[in-house]
Amino acid sequence: AQSVTQPDIHITVSEGASLELRCNYSYGATPYLFWYVQSPGQGLQLLLKYFSGDTLVQGIKGFEAEFKRSQSSFNLRKPSVHWSDAAEYFCAVSPFDGLTFGKGTHLIIQP
Amino acid sequence: EAGVTQFPSHSVIEKGQTVTLRCDPISGHDNLYWYRRVMGKEIKFLLHFVKESKQDESGMPNNRFLAERTGGTYSTLKVQPAELEDSGVYFCASSRRDGSYEQYFGPGTRLTVT
Repeated sequence: AQSVTQPDIHITVSEGASLELRCNYSYGATPYLFWYVQSPGQGLQLLLKYFSGDTLVQGIKGFEAEFKRSQSSFNLRKPSVHWSDAAEYFCAVSPFDGLTFGKGTHLIIQP
Repeated sequence: EAGVTQFPSHSVIEKGQTVTLRCDPISGHDNLYWYRRVMGKEIKFLLHFVKESKQDESGMPNNRFLAERTGGTYSTLKVQPAELEDSGVYFCASSRRDGSYEQYFGPGTRLTVT
């Protein structure tokens, strides 16, 4: 069965600093990988996805993620965070049906 | 286009009562999913509809949970009778059948069983 690990429950970053959120997955085949973000009171919004091809994928709001098969990782990055990026971030993997999520990482932005 | 909507946004019920959650997917989305997040845990898949048919209900916790999608439009998730461990946030998502696998999520229903 597939699984997703997000090792950091909380991350605190200063506004303007760079960000990397970690995600490791376990899946027996080539995974479909996703990053979602949830702001307070909102539903989950898709930031980006990887299915195949270029291992560096660009998403919305200036986010990018890199798929590394050898490390079973799909880390999310942003070069400069804004206060509006404070939210909870979820990594997910999908065979073809329902998504399997990690536990999420709360991102806290310091002024 | 309107997004996925869920009703109610919050529900507080007593153990043993019945609650029905509703999800309205994005118009034209044949796929509809239900997920649940119990406090402190990950979001877990419950089931998947394709139009009105249940494609996969492997994540449903037990037979106290009943999901329906009559006519292939909106869906309901009924919990009867509710137990304390059913508390959590229930999310609904929908997607097109175009191979994009991009699911659009609703804001969730927070269910508290006391």
